[in-house]
Amino acid sequence: AQSVTQLDSQVPVFEEAPVELRCNYSSSVSVYLFWYVQYPNQGLQLLLKYLSGSTLVKGINGFEAEFNKSQTSFHLRKPSVHISDTAEYFCAVQTNAGKSTFGDGTTLTVKP
Amino acid sequence: DAGITQSPRHKVTETGTPVTLRCHQTENHRYMYWYRQDPGHGLRLIHYSYGVKDTDKGEVSDGYSVSRSKTEDFLLTLESATSSQTSVYFCAIAAGIQGSGNTIYFGEGSWLTVV
Repeated sequence: AQSVTQLDSQVPVFEEAPVELRCNYSSSVSVYLFWYVQYPNQGLQLLLKYLSGSTLVKGINGFEAEFNKSQTSFHLRKPSVHISDTAEYFCAVQTNAGKSTFGDGTTLTVKP
Repeated sequence: DAGITQSPRHKVTETGTPVTLRCHQTENHRYMYWYRQDPGHGLRLIHYSYGVKDTDKGEVSDGYSVSRSKTEDFLLTLESATSSQTSVYFCAIAAGIQGSGNTIYFGEGSWLTVV
């Protein structure tokens, strides 16, 4: 079985500041790692994913994440956030058949 | 846009009544999923399907059943709705042949309220 822990339920930050959303996972098998974003009243959209290769993954909207196998982490970062980045962010691990386990989400609020 | 349509988008129903949510996809994807989203719980997998008439349970399958008689349609049924099933339900597909390692695309959600 696998699990995902998003370490912060809410992250407030000022516009143009850097942000890091933390995600730790546990699994007895190899997993694929994903970050999704959800805007109000919408479904989730893929930000980025790690399948293999380089541990630094770049996604849409200037986000990136780093896979750290020894620490079983997959933290999401952005060097300068915008008001439009205000949303809920979900980390997920995926195993066979595409079954995904999601974290409880982190609400990012960007303040002017 | 992975061509996923959920219906109904909003529904209010009474305790004890049956409810069916429909997920329709237009791109012939093999893997389909039903998740529920509740505050503080993220998304939890209810059931999934890896082909016509091939379905399996997820982590919160009690009180739910599914059917997939055609590739494009995946139905979620609450046999006898309870207030604990008030939630937002998301259908999803895995874009790719093997399922694992593929991006999951979500529908826009179905808001269900059981009174």
